[in-house]
Amino acid sequence: AQSVTQPDIHITVSEGASLELRCNYSYGATPYLFWYVQSPGQGLQLLLKYFSGDTLVQGIKGFEAEFKRSQSSLNLRKPSVHWSDAAEYFCAVGARIYNQGGKLIFGQGTELSVKP
Amino acid sequence: NAGVTQTPKFQVLKTGQSMTLQCAQDMNHNSMYWYRQDPGMGLRLIYYSASEGTTDKGEVPNGYNVSRLNKREFSLRLESAAPSQTSVYFCASSEADRGLAHNEQFFGPGTRLTVL
Repeated sequence: AQSVTQPDIHITVSEGASLELRCNYSYGATPYLFWYVQSPGQGLQLLLKYFSGDTLVQGIKGFEAEFKRSQSSLNLRKPSVHWSDAAEYFCAVGARIYNQGGKLIFGQGTELSVKP
Repeated sequence: NAGVTQTPKFQVLKTGQSMTLQCAQDMNHNSMYWYRQDPGMGLRLIYYSASEGTTDKGEVPNGYNVSRLNKREFSLRLESAAPSQTSVYFCASSEADRGLAHNEQFFGPGTRLTVL
């Protein structure tokens, strides 16, 4: 069965510092992988997605992610965090199976706080 | 384009009451989803509709029913609300071509439901 683990429930970084959020997945083959961000009181917005090819994926808002097959991971990174990046971040996995309705399985989420 | 809209934004119910959460999308997407979000548990899929006229159970369907009214609208019904259904409910839609998960899911702003 597919599953997603985000080991860090809450992370605090200083503004201007670099950020890495971890995501590990369990799946029998290379799945579709996504990172979403949720600002307080809002719905989810897609940051980036990984399907295949280059292991470094660029997203919106200056985020990028590196896929490592050997570690079953897609970690989200940002070189310099801004106060507006404070939010909850979700990793999700989707199956490469026809007629599964495009279902996604989400991780538990990582809440990011940014110190001035 | 409004994207994905949900009504109501907030709702308080008493145990045993019923209600229907409404969702509509104007992106001509085939697939639609209902999730619930609870602290520390990420988003869990309740039901999904891969295409107009079909619905399927997700991870946590007990206590809920859905109706795919047409291509635009997908409603979620609580027949007899319980305190365990206190949650934030999100509707999402996706193109999900051929039922694969490679396309982005677009989320509504959510409905915050409290069951007393």
